[in-house]
Amino acid sequence: AQSVTQPDIHITVSEGASLELRCNYSYGATPYLFWYVQSPGQGLQLLLKYFSGDTLVQGIKGFEAEFKRSQSSFNLRKPSVHWSDAAEYFCAVGPSGSARQLTFGSGTQLTVLP
Amino acid sequence: GAVVSQHPSRVICKSGTSVKIECRSLDFQATTMFWYRQFPKQSLMLMATSNEGSKATYEQGVEKDKFLINHASLTLSTLTVTSAHPEDSSFYICSARDTGGQETQYFGPGTRLLVL
Repeated sequence: AQSVTQPDIHITVSEGASLELRCNYSYGATPYLFWYVQSPGQGLQLLLKYFSGDTLVQGIKGFEAEFKRSQSSFNLRKPSVHWSDAAEYFCAVGPSGSARQLTFGSGTQLTVLP
Repeated sequence: GAVVSQHPSRVICKSGTSVKIECRSLDFQATTMFWYRQFPKQSLMLMATSNEGSKATYEQGVEKDKFLINHASLTLSTLTVTSAHPEDSSFYICSARDTGGQETQYFGPGTRLLVL
């Protein structure tokens, strides 16, 4: 069965510092990988996705992620964090099942210090 | 593009009443929509998969008679919480899978349900 692990429950960085959020997955085939961001009381916004091709994908808001098959990882990065980046971040892998649903990680809460 | 709306955004109801939540894909068609429940500071829990023109598929442990799902068109799915109780209070989020896209789910803004 597929699974997603986000090892860091909570990360705190200073504004302007670089950021890396970790995501490891277990999947039986070539996965589709996603990063979503959720602000308090809001739905999820798609940051970026990987299906195939270039393993370094660019997303919105200056985020990027790199697919590393050998490490089963899809870490999210940003070179300089802004205070508005404070939110919950979810990694997801799919599709699976007849409905082709996604499997989500437990999330990483990002706090940005001024 | 790829916008999903939910209505209402917030609802308070009395115990024993029913509440309907709508999920609409505004600029694309979605043969499949998903309903999630999210508890505070936790990840999303998939409740059911809503398929246009057919019965929804419920995850294990989710009562289908309590959480009624209807997907009457390619742009609308509804979740009705019947005979709501305080333990049903939660944040409900829907997503829609773009049939023309690449397995991408787009999420609604969520509905906060509080049952008194």
